[in-house]
Amino acid sequence: EIVLTQSPGTLSLSPGERATLSCRASQSVGSRYLAWYQQKSGQAPRLLIYGASSRATGIPDRFSGSGSGTDFTLTISRLEPEDFVVYYCQQYGNSPYTFGQGTKLEI
Amino acid sequence: EVQLVQSGAEVKKPGESLKISCKGSGYSFTSYWIGWVRQMPGKGLEWMGIIYPSDSDTKYSPSFQGQVTISADKSITTAYLHWNSLKASDSAMYYCARGGSYSGYWGQGTLVTVSS
Repeated sequence: EIVLTQSPGTLSLSPGERATLSCRASQSVGSRYLAWYQQKSGQAPRLLIYGASSRATGIPDRFSGSGSGTDFTLTISRLEPEDFVVYYCQQYGNSPYTFGQGTKLEI
Repeated sequence: EVQLVQSGAEVKKPGESLKISCKGSGYSFTSYWIGWVRQMPGKGLEWMGIIYPSDSDTKYSPSFQGQVTISADKSITTAYLHWNSLKASDSAMYYCARGGSYSGYWGQGTLVTVSS
């Protein structure tokens, strides 16, 4: 089973700043089989990025993903107040398709 | 419009059985995998397994293999998550999601509470 480790666990920033979230896999996830989700309190997760760098439908271009193999990054270029929630990465290169433990973005 | 509508919240006792559902609409139900994800209170997302409704091919996470059963009835475009004997540690929010890899469509979640 591939273990995904997200860092940092909590990231404290201010609106307008740039956020960089990391997701590291215990072994290669097969090129770019990595997705990012955003989860607001009390809601289902929302897909942000798939294929490591492709934005899902309707996702603002301030969200971008990069990386391959074992190291991936989600970047939010200019934080909006609604961005201060929890983010998860998920690998789908090898079953079981595991999630990272999450990064909480706080003001 | 793609929709996944889950059954309502459940309160059960340890040892009881339970089946929760996820009804898909707005797309070809037999053409996409449907998966289940657990989220325990205050915790992260855990991938449980997926099913391909067309032929009921199923993949489980080793953490959930033997603990739950995933099934689907394509005639009514509904997927299920079933427990034979609930434990208090099964208390969580359960989400269904469309897709055998990443998931762009999610149900609203079903809260399961297991308490004596």
